[in-house]
Amino acid sequence: QVQLVESGGGVVQPGRSLKLSCAVSGFTFGTYAMHWVRQAPGKGLEWVAVISFDGSQRSYADSVRGRVSISRDNFKNTLYLQMNSLRPEDTAMYYCSKGNYYGSTSYSDWWGQGTLVTVSS
Amino acid sequence: DIQMTQSPSSLSASVGDRVTITCRASQNIGTYLNWYQQRPGTAPKLLISAASSLQSGVPSRFSGIGSGSGTDFTLTIRSLQPEDFATYYCQQSYSTPITFGQGTRLEIK
Repeated sequence: QVQLVESGGGVVQPGRSLKLSCAVSGFTFGTYAMHWVRQAPGKGLEWVAVISFDGSQRSYADSVRGRVSISRDNFKNTLYLQMNSLRPEDTAMYYCSKGNYYGSTSYSDWWGQGTLVTVSS
Repeated sequence: DIQMTQSPSSLSASVGDRVTITCRASQNIGTYLNWYQQRPGTAPKLLISAASSLQSGVPSRFSGIGSGSGTDFTLTIRSLQPEDFATYYCQQSYSTPITFGQGTRLEIK
């Protein structure tokens, strides 16, 4: 069955960096786009970034563009989110999700359980 | 960016009721509209894709439709069950940045 397991969250000081990972199984990772979506405590869902099946297309939300980089390793079946210059408003549960097809304009048909990032001094 | 506006923001209903949630896009998105359910403390779950396509395993009491304008969409839940009380989000996947509605919290009356 499809599984997505996020890791790498934690408490980090403002201005520091953090790299999230998402290990997947149960589907052919290298043929689907992948997304990161976040949810601040008590708030709604906010799409963060998407990467196409081969990594050739990447797109970011305005709120993170220039500070965040999405990447993937299709040999390791793993998705990444490198977050730099973290701000308190980046505090959220971060979910990785599988796109329904190979392109960046895909919806999320499977989700991980999330990893919590807290930005605080 | 395409803005997605849901209404209402919250809704109280009883088991057995029929409820409707609407979602409006700031521009024509065709049928690139998806609905998710999120129960407290859990990850979102895809219910409906492409405005009206029910995902496998989702009960048939859930249905979605677009008005044909490409901007107005509706999620209907017939005969509410206790497990349906959750927050519902619409999402457009027509273009990046992909955007979500602000959510509709469905509470037990």
